[in-house]
Amino acid sequence: GEDVEQSLFLSVREGDSSVINCTYTDSSSTYLYWYKQEPGAGLQLLTYIFSNMDMKQDQRLTVLLNKKDKHLSLRIADTQTGDSAIYFCALREGTYKYIFGTGTRLKVLA
Amino acid sequence: KAGVTQTPRYLIKTRGQQVTLSCSPISGHRSVSWYQQTPGQGLQFLFEYFSETQRNKGNFPGRFSGRQFSNSRSEMNVSTLELGDSALYLCASSLISDEQFFGPGTRLTVL
Repeated sequence: GEDVEQSLFLSVREGDSSVINCTYTDSSSTYLYWYKQEPGAGLQLLTYIFSNMDMKQDQRLTVLLNKKDKHLSLRIADTQTGDSAIYFCALREGTYKYIFGTGTRLKVLA
Repeated sequence: KAGVTQTPRYLIKTRGQQVTLSCSPISGHRSVSWYQQTPGQGLQFLFEYFSETQRNKGNFPGRFSGRQFSNSRSEMNVSTLELGDSALYLCASSLISDEQFFGPGTRLTVL
């Protein structure tokens, strides 16, 4: 089955850019997602990218997909303290099953 | 449009008991998925229902079961609770398969 890996922690200063990385093993996924989870809350869908795209930009968020290296990244420009949360990448395996990464805890320092 | 709702939000049970969690999807969404989130294992897929049929199942023991009703509301049941079942149980609904919207979760503590 699919294996999705993320680094556990990332710390950045307010105003800097954050880059959260994700690597995966199965290249057949057609959709790749980024979710945000704040303390005590469920997951919020931030953005997603189709597997036939290399990049997608959505306001402060930029998603890059390198299919050859099976690497997905999320860049947050001008990171704010409100961006502090856990970020999950996720891939859709088949039609109905999603595989989530281990999550990266982003801490934004004022 | 109301989001995904889950009840109860918090639950405390003892080992050996059983528990039923409920999820109401976004209006019009027919697919409901359940996940278990723990600090050690992360987010793990339990099962997915569409139009009252289970379409996919994760690698969990038979103590974990679910069902979906004709109004798309879903329940999951865990029987003979174990300490390791303590987790945040998340429900997600989708209109079609490409976007999932998550509820706030039910935090289950097993003593």
